[in-house]
Amino acid sequence: QQQVKQSPQSLIVQKGGIPIINCAYENTAFDYFPWYQQFPGKGPALLIAIRPDVSEKKEGRFTISFNKSAKQFSLHIMDSQPGDSATYFCAASYSNYQLIWGAGTKLIIKP
Amino acid sequence: ETGVTQTPRHLVMGMTNKKSLKCEQHLGHNAMYWYKQSAKKPLELMFVYNFKEQTENNSVPSRFSPECPNSSHLFLHLHTLQPEDSALYLCASSQGAGGPGDTQYFGPGTRLTVL
Repeated sequence: QQQVKQSPQSLIVQKGGIPIINCAYENTAFDYFPWYQQFPGKGPALLIAIRPDVSEKKEGRFTISFNKSAKQFSLHIMDSQPGDSATYFCAASYSNYQLIWGAGTKLIIKP
Repeated sequence: ETGVTQTPRHLVMGMTNKKSLKCEQHLGHNAMYWYKQSAKKPLELMFVYNFKEQTENNSVPSRFSPECPNSSHLFLHLHTLQPEDSALYLCASSQGAGGPGDTQYFGPGTRLTVL
């Protein structure tokens, strides 16, 4: 119930492609869904987040799509660049509870 | 220094050693966290402190002992660790202590190797 399942574990995309990372959850009480980006040698940093009252949120080249009925949300990266190569984590939380994290996706954008 | 800093960045220790990890946040936040990050696994929340008081301890073995002397500093004291404790230990801080919108800011981590 408290898990967030993230897929794929790793992903290789050509420059300019649109990598898609998916997450699924069971607990319908979750009401905050952030994505964090982690570069090698750095800690994770908040990239973009969504609440369940909207189905999509865009910030620059990054888009979260949210499907409340399917209990799934995904991250899309438009016009991907080699500099986007990083590990991406989805997470979920509700009320005063702490973030529940996905296992991460290692993304490589090939030039 | 800005953001969240952690020292040391790398640590190798034997199973009988005692060492400490240090975290400092320069963001004026009230909450601080310790996480364990292992490859291909979700981040594991270990401890949460809010206004210097421990508010969460996620069944962490007693060989890990946290200390939060003030809202800006957090320590993780280590003793008689096991090889499976080898991981990246991340410190984070946030304005509140959880809940929607309470963004966590992470340090770069300490890479711990237990021999």
